[in-house]
Amino acid sequence: KQEVTQIPAALSVPEGENLVLNCSFTDSAIYNLQWFRQDPGKGLTSLLLIQSSQREQTSGRLNASLDKSSGRSTLYIAASQPGDSATYLCAVLPGYSSASKIIFGSGTRLSIRP
Amino acid sequence: DVKVTQSSRYLVKRTGEKVFLECVQDMDHENMFWYRQDPGLGLRLIYFSYDVKMKEKGDIPEGYSVSREKKERFSLILESASTNQTSMYLCASSRDPSYEQYFGPGTRLTVT
Repeated sequence: KQEVTQIPAALSVPEGENLVLNCSFTDSAIYNLQWFRQDPGKGLTSLLLIQSSQREQTSGRLNASLDKSSGRSTLYIAASQPGDSATYLCAVLPGYSSASKIIFGSGTRLSIRP
Repeated sequence: DVKVTQSSRYLVKRTGEKVFLECVQDMDHENMFWYRQDPGLGLRLIYFSYDVKMKEKGDIPEGYSVSREKKERFSLILESASTNQTSMYLCASSRDPSYEQYFGPGTRLTVT
């Protein structure tokens, strides 16, 4: 059974630092992996989606990498800003069919100190 | 711009009431999902639908039912609300399982 883990559960860094958020999954046979952001009391916003055949995806100051063989993905945030404070969740799609469903990690709560 | 809307941001209901939560998407997506999110338990899938009138149970379907009569609308029904159904409810949609999921703003339901 696929399990998705995000460690640490919370992280606090000063503004301007580059940082890495981690996501690990137990079964390397995934179809894709998605990173989301969630602000307090709000819904999730999709940040990046990496297909299983890809190694990384970039959007602005965000870069997500995928290493299927080791069961790991990282989300790199460059030059962090207070507005980056949020909970970041990763989710994997184990396989593809019309009835497939994604499996979420529990998230890392990120706080950027001004 | 893609949009998923939910009928209420906050809802307070009494134990035993029948509760309807509605979700509408304007992206012509095939797949729609209902999740609940609780501290320490993360996001859990209640039901999802990959076509009109089609539905699949998620991880925690007990006490819930769903309806999808039109492609753009997916309703979650609590037949007889209980206090343990107090939670944040999130709706999402996607073009198909391999594409990004887009989430609504959430409904915070309190059952007293």
